Amino acid sequence: NAGVIQTPRHKVTGKGQEATLWCEPISGHSAVFWYRQTIVQGLEFLTYFRNQAPIDDSGMPKERFSAQMPNQSHSTLKIQSTQPQDSAVYLCASSLDYLFSQNTLYFGAGTRLSVL
Amino acid sequence: GQGVEQPDNLMSVEGTFARVNCTYSTSGFNGLSWYQQREGHAPVFLSYVVLDGLKDSGHFSTFLSRSNGYSYLLLTELQIKDSASYLCAVRGNSAGNKLTFGIGTRVLVRP
Repeated sequence: NAGVIQTPRHKVTGKGQEATLWCEPISGHSAVFWYRQTIVQGLEFLTYFRNQAPIDDSGMPKERFSAQMPNQSHSTLKIQSTQPQDSAVYLCASSLDYLFSQNTLYFGAGTRLSVL
Repeated sequence: GQGVEQPDNLMSVEGTFARVNCTYSTSGFNGLSWYQQREGHAPVFLSYVVLDGLKDSGHFSTFLSRSNGYSYLLLTELQIKDSASYLCAVRGNSAGNKLTFGIGTRVLVRP
């Protein structure tokens, strides 16, 4: 089991460019989460899917951020027109069965996004 | 809404102990988790509590008081390698039941 896989590990974009981040959850896990981590804000919830369906996207900046889960093996987070304040480590996590598990999230190594 | 508060930093000495405090406010309560995050790495699950009292897991123990919205993670017999950030995370009853994390407490263990 390779764990949660995130690609790329590092991404540098210019202001106004688009960034797409990829996540492959652990096989068999039904819930997939996206978080953003900065030194100032810590871990901020963005969105999550359960059985590929979007459940809660209350943490997503609505104008430029979008997330999809087209199949059970991967999810993407897309940021359009990136801004310097989007610079952060974006963490994807999966969970076996979110409603009945003990809340254990398995995190990927993250994608460090730097917007110049 | 949900809020989770932790101290920023904590320093302790190898061989002693460290207690990481966490206070929270939630709409309902569905459990509290602790994660360890080493510099440059992903958070790793340590412990989950949902009932009041002390849960002894050896090197790590966790305490919960739901009436006070309070938990702590106790690290005993500290080793240098325990130096890391420790994140408290709470799940309430709000829509989506998402985990809300504290900013993390950076624990530094010195010789």
